[in-house]
Amino acid sequence: NAGVTQTPKFRILKIGQSMTLQCTQDMNHNYMYWYRQDPGMGLKLIYYSVGAGITDKGEVPNGYNVSRSTTEDFPLRLELAAPSQTSVYFCASSYSQPGQPQHFGDGTRLSIL
Amino acid sequence: AQSVTQLDSQVPVFEEAPVELRCNYSSSVSVYLFWYVQYPNQGLQLLLKYLSGSTLVKGINGFEAEFNKSQTSFHLRKPSVHICDTAEYFCAVSDLLEYGNKLVFGAGTILRVKS
Repeated sequence: NAGVTQTPKFRILKIGQSMTLQCTQDMNHNYMYWYRQDPGMGLKLIYYSVGAGITDKGEVPNGYNVSRSTTEDFPLRLELAAPSQTSVYFCASSYSQPGQPQHFGDGTRLSIL
Repeated sequence: AQSVTQLDSQVPVFEEAPVELRCNYSSSVSVYLFWYVQYPNQGLQLLLKYLSGSTLVKGINGFEAEFNKSQTSFHLRKPSVHICDTAEYFCAVSDLLEYGNKLVFGAGTILRVKS
């Protein structure tokens, strides 16, 4: 199994550009999550989804949007890229039962210049 | 809202020495606790988790952690580390009262194993 797959692995954007970070999982997990990781800050939850068609904000949602049209895919969109969005972005998924661990992708390193 | 404090940002240790990485969380009635490891340029991998039962939890790669409810701590230990244990370690908590099985992460502890 591939697990959680994120594309692209690296990307450089100019201020004001937009892009979509792709995430797909093949484990039939209902729950999916997007985090950003900044040095010394741990991971912060951006958005999460408990199933197709259902999304909700996390701790740091401003400047991002998500959609969940299928169980497998959970793309993250940046509409107007800002330098503050330079970060490493991780997608994760899990089964819905309480206590189930989250499985992480390898991340997307994004620089906004 | 839950919060997680990892008390050391970096822990240097010599190979084959024991190590303890400290984690404290804010109090709640019911929580699940996790330790994840991140190797350079990779995603996070689960080391171990505490859901209920025995307060001493064993994980992969020889790591173990002890849940202490009175001190709201979940410290990670390994009796003898190796060079390959060099990585960043994250403690995380899931509040059973929160919808969506969300995790709150600590800031991370970088373990540097020296030869």
